[in-house]
Amino acid sequence: EVQLLESGGGLEQPGGSLRLSCTASGFTFNTYAMSWVRQAPGKGLEWVSGISGSGGSTFYADSVKGRFTISRDNSKNTLYLQMQNLRAEDTAVYYCAKVEEQWLVLGNQFDYWGQGTLVTVSS
Amino acid sequence: QSALTQPASVSGSPGQSITISCTGTSSDVGKYNYVSWYQQNPGKAPKLMIYDVSNRPSGVSNRFSGSKSGNTASLTISGLQAEDEADYYCSSYTSSSTLVFGGGTKLTVL
Repeated sequence: EVQLLESGGGLEQPGGSLRLSCTASGFTFNTYAMSWVRQAPGKGLEWVSGISGSGGSTFYADSVKGRFTISRDNSKNTLYLQMQNLRAEDTAVYYCAKVEEQWLVLGNQFDYWGQGTLVTVSS
Repeated sequence: QSALTQPASVSGSPGQSITISCTGTSSDVGKYNYVSWYQQNPGKAPKLMIYDVSNRPSGVSNRFSGSKSGNTASLTISGLQAEDEADYYCSSYTSSSTLVFGGGTKLTVL
C-alpha cells in the first residue's frame, strides 16, 4: 500500500525557515517524480515544486523560486522541502504528491497524496 | 504562471450531466495533452479523476470523462450522484516546465 506521510509543519515568523519532510512507502521511490502542492486556508491548490526520481531535475513555481529548495534522499525514501524567507502568503497546508507514471521527470498526474502538513507564517 | 480559469461553481440534479471548463493558454492547456482533473472533498487530499486529458485511473467511475478543444479542457460528469458533490481542480503542464492548477469549481448536487 502506497503511503505518504508529511511532517515538519508548524508556526514560523516571517523571514524564518522550515523544512518539510515526506516519508514514502509501498512503491519504488526512486523511480517516481514527486511534487509539493499547497493549499492556503479556504483557497485552491497551488503547485509549488517538483523533482525527478533521481533528484537530478528540480522545478519551482515563480512564487517560491529562490526561497524554497526541493530535494530527496532515495536511500531514506524521503522527499524534502526547505523553505526560507517565509512570508505570510506561504501559509497553507502542504501536500506531497506522487506522480502516477514511472520515469517521468515532471508529471502532473498525482495518484497518491499525503494527508498534508500545515505551515503558518505569522508574527 | 497565472492559474487556469474555471467557473467558481456549477450545479446539477441527480441523474443529469454537468461540464466543468478549464481555460488556459497556448502555453499550457493548448500546447500539451497533459491536463489532469482532481476531486477534493472538505478536509481531504485531492483524488486524481482524469489524466492526460481523457484517461481515467483504475477505480474511477466511467461517469467521469475529459476532453480538450484548443485552450480549453473540460470535465464531464454524467449520471450525477450526491457523492459527486465536491471541489474540482484542473491542472496542466506548461511550456515553462512548471505545473499550474485551476482556481477550482464547487459542484453542488441539488
